[in-house]
This record gives sequence, structure tokens and C-alpha cells, in this order.
Amino acid sequence: NAGVTQTPKFRILKIGQSMTLQCTQDMNHNYMYWYRQDPGMGLKLIYYSVGAGITDKGEVPNGYNVSRSTTEDFPLRLELAAPSQTSVYFCASSYSTEANSYEQYFGPGTRLTVT
Amino acid sequence: GQSLEQPSEVTAVEGAIVQINCTYQTSGFYGLSWYQQHDGGAPTFLSYNALDGLEETGRFSSFLSRSDSYGYLLLQELQMKDSASYFCAVRDEYAGGYNKLIFGAGTRLAVHP
Repeated sequence: NAGVTQTPKFRILKIGQSMTLQCTQDMNHNYMYWYRQDPGMGLKLIYYSVGAGITDKGEVPNGYNVSRSTTEDFPLRLELAAPSQTSVYFCASSYSTEANSYEQYFGPGTRLTVT
Repeated sequence: GQSLEQPSEVTAVEGAIVQINCTYQTSGFYGLSWYQQHDGGAPTFLSYNALDGLEETGRFSSFLSRSDSYGYLLLQELQMKDSASYFCAVRDEYAGGYNKLIFGAGTRLAVHP
């Protein structure tokens, strides 16, 4: 299994541009998450999904959108990029039962710079 | 408000034991997790405590006291490869399988020869 994969690894955007960060998992996890990590900080939840067709906002959703058309894919869309969105973005997934859903599996991250 | 506090940096020598503390104040509590993150890498899961007490996994142990809103990660027989950032994360909400995790800011562990 590849686990959680993310593309691209790095990206530089100009202010006002848009882009989509891709995330795919092959573990058949129902639950998927998008986080951002600013330098020297912990992770902040942007959006999450509990299954195909179901998404909801996390702590810091402004400036982002998501969709979940399949179990495997959970893309994150940035509209009108701003310097405040410079960060490392991590996608994660987890199992869906209480007994084993506490462990989240993270992708390698996308390092985004907005200038 | 919701917060987790952990030391920003810890330094230790190879072969030693180090303890990284985490205190939390959250609206809900379903468990405390620890994640390791090497520079430039992704967080990887280390341990989870839902109940009070000590959980041991090889050289790493994690402890939880729910009455004190406190936990720690204990790393024994330190190796150079243990140099990384360690994050505590409270499972603040659990609803139908969805886990809301609140992360601390991380503790950077530097292991020296």
C-alpha cells in the first residue's frame, strides 16, 4: 500500500492565484482530514470528511474548499491565494470505528509559498 | 479556550531517558495521542492513551492522568534518530468515527552523542 499520497510536494503561488492540492489514500479509510502546519507550530484542521459526499469545516476553513467524490480522493482547493496561506499542508486519513479511529495516517505534505 | 502546553525544546544525550510533558485544557476529552515528526517529514503516530496509566511500546511509553489533565511521553535508551519534534494531541471530540484532534505546538528533541 502506498498509504496517503499528496501532490505536488512544493508549489509557489502568486497572490490571487488558485490551485488544488491533491490527496489520495489506498487504505479504504472513510475519514480524511486536511491540516496546515505553520513553522514551529502544531497542526490546525482545515476541513474533514467522514465519507464520500460528506465534508465539514474544521478550525481554519476560510480561503479553502474541499470535495469528496470518492473514498480515495480528498482534494483541497485554494481560491485567491494570500500570503497568510503560506504553510505546509498535510492530508490524513483514519479508520472509522472508535476502537481504531484514533490513529491518523499522514501524507508527506505539500509545501506552499504565496508571494 | 482550548489549549495544550508542552515544552518547546528538550536536549538529551544518547542512551539517556527523557520525558516530554503535556498539559491540556479542552472542551471534550476522549484520549491523548503522541506523534513524532522528523524535520521535513510527516507526523507519524506513536501512542494513544484513553485511560489513566502507562502504555508501553518498546522504548517509548506514554502516561495519562485525566484528573490532572496531564500526560507525558517517555523515551528510553535515546538514539540519534529520536531527534525530532513530538506533538501531543487531544482527541477532543468523537462523533460517529470522526476524531477532532487538537495539537500542541510540539517539543523539539535534540539528542547529542
